[in-house]
Amino acid sequence: QVQLVESGGGLVKPGGSLRLSCAASGFSFSDYYMSWIRQAPGKGLEWLSYISTMSTYTNYADSVKGRFTISRDNAKNSLFLQMSSLRAEDTAVYYCGRVDFWSGNPPIPRSGMDVWGQGTPVTVSS
Amino acid sequence: DIVMTQSPLSLPVTLGQPASFSCRSSQRLVYSDRSTYLSWFQQRPGQSPRRLIYKVSNRDSGVPDRFSGSGSGTDFTLKISRVEAEDVGVYYCMQGTQWPGTFGQGTKLEIK
Repeated sequence: QVQLVESGGGLVKPGGSLRLSCAASGFSFSDYYMSWIRQAPGKGLEWLSYISTMSTYTNYADSVKGRFTISRDNAKNSLFLQMSSLRAEDTAVYYCGRVDFWSGNPPIPRSGMDVWGQGTPVTVSS
Repeated sequence: DIVMTQSPLSLPVTLGQPASFSCRSSQRLVYSDRSTYLSWFQQRPGQSPRRLIYKVSNRDSGVPDRFSGSGSGTDFTLKISRVEAEDVGVYYCMQGTQWPGTFGQGTKLEIK
């Protein structure tokens, strides 16, 4: 079945780095845009970044621009989020999501994520 | 960024009764292709979010037909015709007309 499984979360000190991974299965990974979304404890959802099918297009929310880098390996059906200069306010559950529709010039995701992973928690604390 | 505002924040509903969720955007969500990119997500307690509705009124596969979406411009509504126990959770609207896509703060559906 269609599945996304995140890993790599954990406890990290302020200023530190962490690399999240998302393993995809059950669908043709290279045919879809992919995204990272996070949810701070007791809070709502924040869309952080997306990457196009061939990694041509990426974009970031202002809150993580310059600190986080999204990437993918289509040969390994995997999505990544490299996070650096982490802050306490980055503490959240991080979800990867499959994007099923994009449009425009440049094309951006339009209808959110149709498949979500179970999330991986990241805690930034000294 | 486009700001999405949902109301109410909490919605107590009796089983079998209808429920209505409101979502308002700070800008019109009609894109240049004439489509309106407004989606609704459900997050049950302890679970990941799940998309219910995309492009205002299109139900995702497997979503019961008691869920319906409507609206235009800056005002949108998600309705549940008859609430069931499994519907408990937080409902979020999201706009995809402009990057970054932004979510509302959520409406928590509770059983009265």
